[in-house]
Amino acid sequence: QLQLQESGPGLVKPSETLSLTCTVSGGSISSSNYYWGWIRQPPGKGLEWIGTIYYSGSTYYNPSLKSRVTLSVDTSKNQFSLKVSSVTAADTAVYYCARLGAVAAAALWYWGQGTLVTVSS
Amino acid sequence: DIQMTQSPSSLSASVGDRVTITCRASQGISNSLAWYQQKPGKAPKLLLYAASRLESGVPSRFSGSGSGTDYTLTISSLQPEDFATYYCQQYYTTPLTFGGGTKVEIK
Repeated sequence: QLQLQESGPGLVKPSETLSLTCTVSGGSISSSNYYWGWIRQPPGKGLEWIGTIYYSGSTYYNPSLKSRVTLSVDTSKNQFSLKVSSVTAADTAVYYCARLGAVAAAALWYWGQGTLVTVSS
Repeated sequence: DIQMTQSPSSLSASVGDRVTITCRASQGISNSLAWYQQKPGKAPKLLLYAASRLESGVPSRFSGSGSGTDYTLTISSLQPEDFATYYCQQYYTTPLTFGGGTKVEIK
């Protein structure tokens, strides 16, 4: 059974960089043909797609966040990561990692449990 | 970006009721639509994809339909475990976008 687990600091100061890692178990990022992504959900609000990455390093970003977001993948550790720079309180959210389908634009089949990141001084 | 408009934003229903949630896309999405269920404090769970295909393990009381820009999620007989928030998502193109959610509450 595929499992995803987000990890990273729960508190980030304004103007700093938010960094999260998603560790995949029960399957290999590099041996599958699936895409991997990040989604966030501000407290009490809806879902926002942040971006998607393929094991080769190809990336797709939400234009609303593109200037501040970087996705990367480490196949040796079976992990992929998210960085959001210059954070503000508006970046406070539960951040989820997920496995998509076999194309970049796809449904989100498996989700991590999510991790709350609060932006505050 | 393709805007996804869900309605209603909330509804109250009783166990056994038939519930229908609608999702409208700002342009045609060729059935590239998924539905998710989210319970408080939990990650969303995929219920249906390709507008009408049931994900493995999802009860058959859940069904989806639609085409073009208009899609529907139906719960044929609401069960206690179905009280949750439901989201639609288009994957016709990036950026992937979600509807605003429909909270299904106990009447």
